[in-house]
Amino acid sequence: GESVGLHLPTLSVQEGDNSIINCAYSNSASDYFIWYKQESGKGPQFIIDIRSNMDKRQGQRVTVLLNKTVKHLSLQIAATQPGDSAVYFCAENAGGSYIPTFGRGTSLIVHP
Amino acid sequence: DAGVIQSPRHEVTEMGQEVTLRCKPISGHDYLFWYRQTMMRGLELLIYFNNNVPIDDSGMPEDRFSAKMPNASFSTLKIQPSEPRDSAVYFCASRRGLLNTEAFFGQGTRLTVV
Repeated sequence: GESVGLHLPTLSVQEGDNSIINCAYSNSASDYFIWYKQESGKGPQFIIDIRSNMDKRQGQRVTVLLNKTVKHLSLQIAATQPGDSAVYFCAENAGGSYIPTFGRGTSLIVHP
Repeated sequence: DAGVIQSPRHEVTEMGQEVTLRCKPISGHDYLFWYRQTMMRGLELLIYFNNNVPIDDSGMPEDRFSAKMPNASFSTLKIQPSEPRDSAVYFCASRRGLLNTEAFFGQGTRLTVV
């Protein structure tokens, strides 16, 4: 039969613009969330995390927002650069053993 | 620390052959995870260890897959016999502690079974 690939959502932005990547998580019991960045040919790398007792956390050029009511996370990247081009995953630590469970990812393409 | 080290980086093998993927976690990390990444299914957890003991292997697709962690600094993922549908990138990750900590990933092993 025909195979269906995993078509990643894609966000294309111009260099210097702000980017917002969204993620819906599944487990209302999850209490720790991480954003990872995966560049081509590499493993996922930690960007920023947030605990469920917070609704916002800021890092260098990145901000994560958490809305537990609708089980939604977003990653905001300020002044996006070509080096930010990658696939971004949100991961939730769910269950009693806090095992990272990954979303499907969003491909960010930054045009110079 | 050099981070999580995986070997080989690339592996091409023929269907039916045994494949062994290797991982050295970060020193001091007590959790080790094996993930598989494909375009079809994204990043899937196969198995994880805590203090060298397998805790949950429910993600291992078939009996052809097995994983071991003989000591705190080494783990293997073995596929025997390999099949073309096993072609994927396999990642190992390690983590210190249970709560509120990130997992660090290796560079992955790209496996191609022909």
